[in-house]
Amino acid sequence: QVQLVQSGAEVKKPGASVKVSCKASGYTFPSYYMHWVRQAPGQGLEWMGVINPSGGSTTYAQKLQGRVTMTRDTSTSTVYMELSSLRSEDTAVYYCARDDNIAVAGGRFDPWGQGTLVTVSS
Amino acid sequence: EIVLTQSPATLSLSPGEGATLSCRASQSVSTYLAWYQQKPGQAPRLLIYDASNRATGIPARFSGSGSGTDFTLTISSLEPEDFAVYYCQQRSNWPPLTFGGGTKVEIK
Repeated sequence: QVQLVQSGAEVKKPGASVKVSCKASGYTFPSYYMHWVRQAPGQGLEWMGVINPSGGSTTYAQKLQGRVTMTRDTSTSTVYMELSSLRSEDTAVYYCARDDNIAVAGGRFDPWGQGTLVTVSS
Repeated sequence: EIVLTQSPATLSLSPGEGATLSCRASQSVSTYLAWYQQKPGQAPRLLIYDASNRATGIPARFSGSGSGTDFTLTISSLEPEDFAVYYCQQRSNWPPLTFGGGTKVEIK
């Protein structure tokens, strides 16, 4: 079955960077785009961007441009999301979510990883 | 950016009752709208895609309808496991992909 397993919780100081991983299994990794979505405590869902695991191309949310970088390692079927210049407002659970269209970014999420809590605090 | 507005923010109902959740888009999204369910401490789960299609494994008591700017998620008879937060999401015009603010269905 399709599974997305994310790395563990992180605590970072303001101004630092964090890198979250998402290891995929149960399907052909290069065939499905991967999105990242975050959720601040008690808040709604915010789309961060998407990566094509096949070629590595990315599209980011405008508000995060310049601070977010998504990469992939096809040898381990893992995607990464790095967020730099962290501030307290970046405290959130970060999810990877596979696009459910094969070979194209359809913009629909299924399934999701279990989430990674990133806490930014001095 | 397409803004999605969900109402009500909270719905207080008893098991066995029906639930009707609304999602309104700031401009037409055709039928490119999905619904997700999120339980406390869990990741969201896809329920409905393209406005009215149930995702794999989703019970028939969940149904979606609508097109353009107005959409509805209906739960015909609430089971105990249905008490959760529900989000709508559009993929008509992106980036960015956008979500509604959520509707919490709580036990009355």
